[in-house]
Amino acid sequence: GQNIDQPTEMTATEGAIVQINCTYQTSGFNGLFWYQQHAGEAPTFLSYNVLDGLEEKGRFSSFLSRSKGYSYLLLKELQMKDSASYLCAVRDRRNYGGSQGNLIFGKGTKLSVKP
Amino acid sequence: DGGITQSPKYLFRKEGQNVTLSCEQNLNHDAMYWYRQDPGQGLRLIYYSQIVNDFQKGDIAEGYSVSREKKESFPLTVTSAQKNPTAFYLCASSGTGDTQYFGPGTRLTVL
Repeated sequence: GQNIDQPTEMTATEGAIVQINCTYQTSGFNGLFWYQQHAGEAPTFLSYNVLDGLEEKGRFSSFLSRSKGYSYLLLKELQMKDSASYLCAVRDRRNYGGSQGNLIFGKGTKLSVKP
Repeated sequence: DGGITQSPKYLFRKEGQNVTLSCEQNLNHDAMYWYRQDPGQGLRLIYYSQIVNDFQKGDIAEGYSVSREKKESFPLTVTSAQKNPTAFYLCASSGTGDTQYFGPGTRLTVL
């Protein structure tokens, strides 16, 4: 089957670094996505990993290890506006139709940034 | 401006009524998706369409229907057969095999 796990909630301090972990189980892995979602709003795309390693994009970085079924999102120099839910989603080519596969989402990690 | 629009932002429905949620995109994306989000749960796929005039059921299609008559539009109808329709509904689109981008969402409440 397919399963995605991430912590439910995390708290961090403004200016600090926080790492949000995501573990997954899937047979037809075809990429992992991170989205940010502020309360009551739509998810916005942050990053995409399909090969092992670290992808850096400004204050945000995402890491993938396919052999371990593991990813993390690293947020540096935290700001109050980073308080949001962070969604991990895995694309499984065996999931539904098409050659690319659809996304399976984790339940999200709610990050609270304190002054 | 390119993007995905959903309307209305808030929708109230009486029990037994069908309602239709609008989703439009001008990104020239082939694929479109409907998700439902409930508190404490991940996004769950209702229906998706990879091309005009074709659509497929997702995990939780019961009580919902869709159409894809135009590339730009993918409306979702929540029928009276959906027993627990109160939720936040999100539409997304993507190019083939590409990242999904989301619309602003419609919050549906059953009175």
